[in-house]
Amino acid sequence: ETGVTQTPRHLVMGMTNKKSLKCEQHLGHNAMYWYKQSAKKPLELMFVYNFKEQTENNSVPSRFSPECPNSSHLFLHLHTLQPEDSALYLCASSQDREAALQYFGAGTRLSVL
Amino acid sequence: QKEVEQNSGPLSVPEGAIASLNCTYSDRGSQSFFWYRQYSGKSPELIMFIYSNGDKEDGRFTAQLNKASQYVSLLIRDSQPSDSATYLCAVNSMDTGRRALTFGSGTRLQVQP
Repeated sequence: ETGVTQTPRHLVMGMTNKKSLKCEQHLGHNAMYWYKQSAKKPLELMFVYNFKEQTENNSVPSRFSPECPNSSHLFLHLHTLQPEDSALYLCASSQDREAALQYFGAGTRLSVL
Repeated sequence: QKEVEQNSGPLSVPEGAIASLNCTYSDRGSQSFFWYRQYSGKSPELIMFIYSNGDKEDGRFTAQLNKASQYVSLLIRDSQPSDSATYLCAVNSMDTGRRALTFGSGTRLQVQP
């Protein structure tokens, strides 16, 4: 257990559904991240939040909408997804100054039908 | 585009042998280097990090960094079947102030009993 909790662990949704992924960290960190991991591809950074402010959006389609209400919680709102969005979505957190030491949650395995 | 390259493998070694995992990176401004282990269906787990040229040892693991050659490696001594996993190399560049990591695609290690 790394102190980063993601829910749900598995999600199956249709292309017209709206769902949200949740991430919570109990490490007192100030930065949180969303990554996408597809089969046989490197982890792709999607969004970075530092002290609740979005500092990076890595050209992610608007059908993915992040929300960071405080430094401990991060959401990824999903709507009108495509089958190619099926992947493992990983949340990570780090201290502000030690930004590179990132700790990952267990991930949400998303399948879009 | 800053890249991190790894041989996808699988790298197969017998139990008790030394496994050597290699990684090259393109960004000369890279400052921090990480090795994550990822078991199938699980999230990445940080196992080693190194900031300075040379070797860093932690138990059976040794990370080696050569910034001149833009090369980082991970040695696993006395390999065990439980070491069988995908090993991800990740690099952080402080030049851009980017609070995120660039990952390689990973090398799959198989330790044969």
